[in-house]
Amino acid sequence: NAGVTQTPKFQVLKTGQSMTLQCAQDMNHEYMSWYRQDPGMGLRLIHYSVGAGITDQGEVPNGYNVSRSTTEDFPLRLLSAAPSQTSVYFCASSPGGGSGGYTFGSGTRLTVV
Amino acid sequence: GQNIDQPTEMTATEGAIVQINCTYQTSGFNGLFWYQQHAGEAPTFLSYNVLDGLEEKGRFSSFLSRSKGYSYLLLKELQMKDSASYLCAVKNYGQNFVFGPGTRLSVLP
Repeated sequence: NAGVTQTPKFQVLKTGQSMTLQCAQDMNHEYMSWYRQDPGMGLRLIHYSVGAGITDQGEVPNGYNVSRSTTEDFPLRLLSAAPSQTSVYFCASSPGGGSGGYTFGSGTRLTVV
Repeated sequence: GQNIDQPTEMTATEGAIVQINCTYQTSGFNGLFWYQQHAGEAPTFLSYNVLDGLEEKGRFSSFLSRSKGYSYLLLKELQMKDSASYLCAVKNYGQNFVFGPGTRLSVLP
């Protein structure tokens, strides 16, 4: 059981480039989210999905795009990378319900130069 | 609004007991969670409270008071491997989590 798989683990982008961070889970979880983690600011929600075909914005959605065509996959797209998007990105999934906590992927450390 | 506060850093000695406090104000409440995060790694689930009171799980316990918007994580018999950040998170009615900034715990020999 792989859990939540994120790729790549590290990435360096030039300002203006675009890229997709991949996230896949094999636990049949309905709920998936993307967070960014910056020093002193904790985890902030970028986008989330409550099921295939349904996505919504979180706290810091600008500059990012998501889609959820299947239950398993939830990719995050950076449309035009900016230095302010330098961060560690975590994908997480949850079965939902009251006691359903997150299972996190291993993270992607992104640097935009 | 939504706000979660935790101390930024704490230091304790191996074998001791430490209590990490968390206060919250959120727009909805569907449970309070604690996560552990070692440096350079992903957060991992530690505990969950939805009703007032104490939940015990081995060396770790978590307490919740919903009327006071307050929780704490209690770590007993501290070990060096407990050096990590501890994240307090509130799950709201939309199944989203709001995370606190995390408390970095250093366990000294």
